[in-house]
Amino acid sequence: GAVVSQHPSWVICKSGTSVKIECRSLDFQATTMFWYRQFPKQSLMLMATSNEGSKATYEQGVEKDKFLINHASLTLSTLTVTSAHPEDSSFYICSARDFALSSYNEQFFGPGTRLTVL
Amino acid sequence: GENVEQHPSTLSVQEGDSAVIKCTYSDSASNYFPWYKQELGKRPQLIIDIRSNVGEKKDQRIAVTLNKTAKHFSLHITETQPEDSAVYFCAAFGTGGYNKLIFGAGTRLAVHP
Repeated sequence: GAVVSQHPSWVICKSGTSVKIECRSLDFQATTMFWYRQFPKQSLMLMATSNEGSKATYEQGVEKDKFLINHASLTLSTLTVTSAHPEDSSFYICSARDFALSSYNEQFFGPGTRLTVL
Repeated sequence: GENVEQHPSTLSVQEGDSAVIKCTYSDSASNYFPWYKQELGKRPQLIIDIRSNVGEKKDQRIAVTLNKTAKHFSLHITETQPEDSAVYFCAAFGTGGYNKLIFGAGTRLAVHP
């Protein structure tokens, strides 16, 4: 149980285009999902907290107009990188919490999406 | 906000030796401390976690200790094996309405046969 998937697993795009990444909780409902970005040899940096049915909460320094987050259902959150540039190339990972679990603090991570912007 | 510091950044041990990674956190209200193992290009995997009402937890070769007063927690791996080689991250539950996980910078562990 508690499986999180991401799609696509990798994507290469041209500078200036937009890329959408999907995060799905496959066997539980996730009212809250989190989006992280990880540059090579660095830690996971939280970008935003995605809440079903409401606006996402962005961390300081993360441009909300560039990284659009939509959490339209209890099992799906999407991150759209708009007008992508080479510096946006990174490993994007989502996670979700299952509040129905007694260990509700635990976050379940997706497999990540490697974005390369040419 | 919460800040998590992790040391060392790299750790090299011989197979069979023990490895210890230490983390400190700043928010005294934090109550959940997970440890993750991440292999190259893969998702972080939860290997053990501890809550603030417990001082120590063990799972086979892995143990975690928590000192709430000093606000630090440590990961202990005994009888290390080459397959333990990976990057390990500590994390702490920050305060705020959605309980954000704040990660340490990571420790690259290399276990040499």
